[in-house]
Amino acid sequence: DAEITQSPRHKITETGRQVTLACHQTWNHNNMFWYRQDLGHGLRLIHYSYGVQDTNKGEVSDGYSVSRSNTEDLPLTLESAASSQTSVYFCASSEPDNYNEQFFGPGTRLTVL
Amino acid sequence: AQSVTQLDSQVPVFEEAPVELRCNYSSSVSVYLFWYVQYPNQGLQLLLKYLSGSTLVKGINGFEAEFNKSQTSFHLRKPSVHISDTAEYFCAVSDRNTDKLIFGTGTRLQVFP
Repeated sequence: DAEITQSPRHKITETGRQVTLACHQTWNHNNMFWYRQDLGHGLRLIHYSYGVQDTNKGEVSDGYSVSRSNTEDLPLTLESAASSQTSVYFCASSEPDNYNEQFFGPGTRLTVL
Repeated sequence: AQSVTQLDSQVPVFEEAPVELRCNYSSSVSVYLFWYVQYPNQGLQLLLKYLSGSTLVKGINGFEAEFNKSQTSFHLRKPSVHISDTAEYFCAVSDRNTDKLIFGTGTRLQVFP
């Protein structure tokens, strides 16, 4: 069955370190999204991509970057981790022309000390 | 700009009682509407979606939602809840010109025996 996987599932890091969260989907979807989930804020969009070599900023993109070199993967990089980036991160994908229904990965819990 | 308001952050209810989770949205264009469920330590799973046509939408696990254009609402209902329905529920909206979803802040449904 097609799926989205995220790794690692849990990560503890220190302030100032670079961290990369992986997202891999086997749906062959063109669209991929990264969200962060925080209490009281729901899910907020960090970055998204509509295809290979395409990336776009979401509403909370400061301090994050993504790259899309193939259809299956959209890694999220925190250039210099800050305590404010402690959160749960979700990756999602969707197919254009499928009414915007998104499929989600299991999430990565990141703690920045 | 679009937005989603989930009026209740928490809804406690006893098992076998009916429940309604409220969702209001704002948008100047025609929209797609979604309800997602998040069980503890898991990703989001689609419960149901409104695309067009009948305003009453049936989803998985006995949930249904009604689209009310005049009140810009998309409330989620279940006539009799189970302990296993304890989860976080997210309402989301997307307009038909974009592939992005805007999420509400979530409602935690707690079902007590």
